[in-house]
Amino acid sequence: DADVTQTPRNRITKTGKRIMLECSQTKGHDRMYWYRQDPGLGLRLIYYSFDVKDINKGEISDGYSVSRQAQAKFSLSLESAIPNQTALYFCATSDRTADRSYNEQFFGPGTRLTVL
Amino acid sequence: QKEVEQDPGPLSVPEGAIVSLNCTYSNSAFQYFMWYRQYSRKGPELLMYTYSSGNKEDGRFTAQVDKSSKYISLFIRDSQPSDSATYLCATGANSKLTFGKGITLSVRP
Repeated sequence: DADVTQTPRNRITKTGKRIMLECSQTKGHDRMYWYRQDPGLGLRLIYYSFDVKDINKGEISDGYSVSRQAQAKFSLSLESAIPNQTALYFCATSDRTADRSYNEQFFGPGTRLTVL
Repeated sequence: QKEVEQDPGPLSVPEGAIVSLNCTYSNSAFQYFMWYRQYSRKGPELLMYTYSSGNKEDGRFTAQVDKSSKYISLFIRDSQPSDSATYLCATGANSKLTFGKGITLSVRP
């Protein structure tokens, strides 16, 4: 079984609809992240969470919200979807590290979201 | 200016070629440097990492960092069709990563 899973894998929705993307992990990691990937723009951080009670905005949080239901679950919501939120969304996890250690992030398979 | 700039692509090379992928970054606080590889329809996977200036080699792959010029490179020797993927440089500190835009590499048999 995959260590980081995302549901759904594909979703087509209409402008104005509320959408939730879910991420679960079995790696036992404390830290979880949501990114979106767009052609020509790369991966951009939306929100991140270092533990259940610690949630932080990333580079592009406007129009998104998150919920960390448990150590293993981190959901991303689009309250009112708009077409420019059409993108590939990735969840990632990482372990707690010492300050100067590298921070490997493990990515899920992605959710392709299309907003019409 | 974006914090991490990556050479634009796509890049197409014949099998066996040496490939050079490059990035620059602007934030001196960045502590570690990584290359992720992403195959089509998959999430990125860590390929190499380092947190010091110099070279790090792993098989056909060499990661190079020059902190004084804020330059990150990945070299692939004897490139194979299986190396065809998108390569993303990443750098960061405090458990957050900033990614380059990625470059798509195609290795022709």
